[in-house]
Amino acid sequence: KNQVEQSPQSLIILEGKNCTLQCNYTVSPFSNLRWYKQDTGRGPVSLTIMTFSENTKSNRRYTATLDADTKQSSLHITASQLSDSASYICVVSTRDFGNEKLTFGTGTRLTIIP
Amino acid sequence: DAGVIQSPRHEVTEMGQEVTLRCKPISGHNSLFWYRQTMMRGLELLIYFNNNVPIDDSGMPEDRFSAKMPNASFSTLKIQPSEPRDSAVYFCASRQWTGDNSPLHFGNGTRLTVT
Repeated sequence: KNQVEQSPQSLIILEGKNCTLQCNYTVSPFSNLRWYKQDTGRGPVSLTIMTFSENTKSNRRYTATLDADTKQSSLHITASQLSDSASYICVVSTRDFGNEKLTFGTGTRLTIIP
Repeated sequence: DAGVIQSPRHEVTEMGQEVTLRCKPISGHNSLFWYRQTMMRGLELLIYFNNNVPIDDSGMPEDRFSAKMPNASFSTLKIQPSEPRDSAVYFCASRQWTGDNSPLHFGNGTRLTVT
């Protein structure tokens, strides 16, 4: 069964500190992995996508990694800001006869405190 | 672009009543998705359309749920009759699917409370 597990479930850190969110998946065959950020009361917004051939990708203070062998991804946030407080959702894509199927993790709730 | 527009933002209704949620996708997008989000289960796909045609409705909980997409710019999700366990946030998302890795664009959701 395709599954996406995220850890930790919730995390509280001080402003300015770094943190790393984890995503493990059993989805097969793998197509891509995307991280979404969901602010309270809003819909998720795509942060970055990782394809099979990519190991690391950075977008400002966010760095995503992918290890396709161990089926793990991480999202590292550097020098956290109050605006980083949100849920971060890992979504893994698989293709089945040309149709894409998305499997969602339940998210990590990140709270940045001043 | 205004993004994906959902209405209403909040809906409170009594058990047994009919509820209709509305969605206007981003202009030019050819795929539309309805998701339900709860604390326990996260985001769950209910149904999605390609070019206004329902492709996968296996996530629709039961016959009380129905979805339509009469044209490329409008979709509805109806629950009749509603039950307290339907309480959740319902999201609509759209994208331009061309076989590549295009992201979903989500609306801000409808928070449904059934008492």
